[in-house]
Amino acid sequence: DVKVTQSSRYLVKRTGEKVFLECVQDMDHENMFWYRQDPGLGLRLIYFSYDVKMKEKGDIPEGYSVSREKKERFSLILESASTNQTSMYLCASSGWGAGDTIYFGEGSWLTVV
Amino acid sequence: LAKTTQPISMDSYEGQEVNITCSHNNIATNDYITWYQQFPSQGPRFIIQGYKTKVTNEVASLFIPADRKSSTLSLPRVSLSDTAVYYCLVGDINAGGTSYGKLTFGQGTILTVHP
Repeated sequence: DVKVTQSSRYLVKRTGEKVFLECVQDMDHENMFWYRQDPGLGLRLIYFSYDVKMKEKGDIPEGYSVSREKKERFSLILESASTNQTSMYLCASSGWGAGDTIYFGEGSWLTVV
Repeated sequence: LAKTTQPISMDSYEGQEVNITCSHNNIATNDYITWYQQFPSQGPRFIIQGYKTKVTNEVASLFIPADRKSSTLSLPRVSLSDTAVYYCLVGDINAGGTSYGKLTFGQGTILTVHP
């Protein structure tokens, strides 16, 4: 089974703090993604990466950055956390074959106070 | 990217078969149809994927008509634990260009299974 592991399930951070959300996948997938999910807004793509050191902006990249130094690891960085970044963050990965599906981690609940 | 339309909510009873239909009139030739299940406070879980006709696995079936403008997820004999949100997703992760990675989830269907 594909396993996508997010390092923290629940975090509480203060406004202005730098926040790191880590994600590791064990299936040698080329693609990795970060989404956030908010009530009424569904899943929104923040960033994705199709290879090591490669990244592309998604629909809502403002206030976020990412890092992919190794194929299995994709980090989401909130440079200066704000209260409007309180959300559930989902990491996902997929292969590069036609029709390859996306597999998600369990999610990280971030509260910024 | 194909926009999807699903019912907002559905109700069923234990032991019944549930069919959730998703409309995707603008589906592209290379697009696949994927269904996910999500429980509160958890990440979406892959259920089934198809391109055309019928696909069946150990948990569900997916029916796709010839024109591929809709698809139906069929859950046989649901139980209380099938209460969740179900998302229909249409696209191709490897469509290339600016489309890959930008698969968009719709609002999903809230399925409630009653005793």
